Amino acid sequence: GEDVEQSLFLSVREGDSSVINCTYTDSSSTYLYWYKQEPGAGLQLLTYIFSNMDMKQDQRLTVLLNKKDKHLSLRIADTQTGDSAIYFCASLVSGGYNKLIFGAGTRLAVHP
Amino acid sequence: DTAVSQTPKYLVTQMGNDKSIKCEQNLGHDTMYWYKQDSKKFLKIMFSYNNKELIINETVPNRFSPKSPDKAHLNLHINSLELGDSAVYFCASSQDPNGELFFGEGSRLTVL
Repeated sequence: GEDVEQSLFLSVREGDSSVINCTYTDSSSTYLYWYKQEPGAGLQLLTYIFSNMDMKQDQRLTVLLNKKDKHLSLRIADTQTGDSAIYFCASLVSGGYNKLIFGAGTRLAVHP
Repeated sequence: DTAVSQTPKYLVTQMGNDKSIKCEQNLGHDTMYWYKQDSKKFLKIMFSYNNKELIINETVPNRFSPKSPDKAHLNLHINSLELGDSAVYFCASSQDPNGELFFGEGSRLTVL
């Protein structure tokens, strides 16, 4: 089946690292994405990782993929108040035409 | 210039009415999508069109009818609106069915 799961809330102190976790079920997932949604706004692609990679780093963002366990994480270093948003994990599932399957989103709250 | 634009941004209407949401992309992409985000922020694909041809239809009630007059436009018409149709509807586009998605800012529909 096609399912993506994330924890719903995360609260961190400004300056700390945030780690948002995600699990997916479909082994045919080719790409895995992290999107950010700020209040009242659309979805912004933050980063993505190809399924044959273990890790990808992009400035303050680090994505780790454990393909065996179908587990994806997003680490945000030195979290700032501007990082407060909902973060969606998404899996690109192949088969006919590819579909992007989203998790329910993790609401990240950054406090002073 | 907005890459993916949707109108209207907000729509409030009564149960039983018929309404449309329009989407246009100026990226030259071949593939367009409609996603629905419910009150719990869960995002689910509804439809996808590639070169004006419907390629994904995810068990959406037939009260929802997408129309793609050309590759740059994908409109969503909803008949006999129900309370459960209240959501934010996101349009997106990609270069092809396997490409990165670019999202519009969403259209918030409220059915009273």
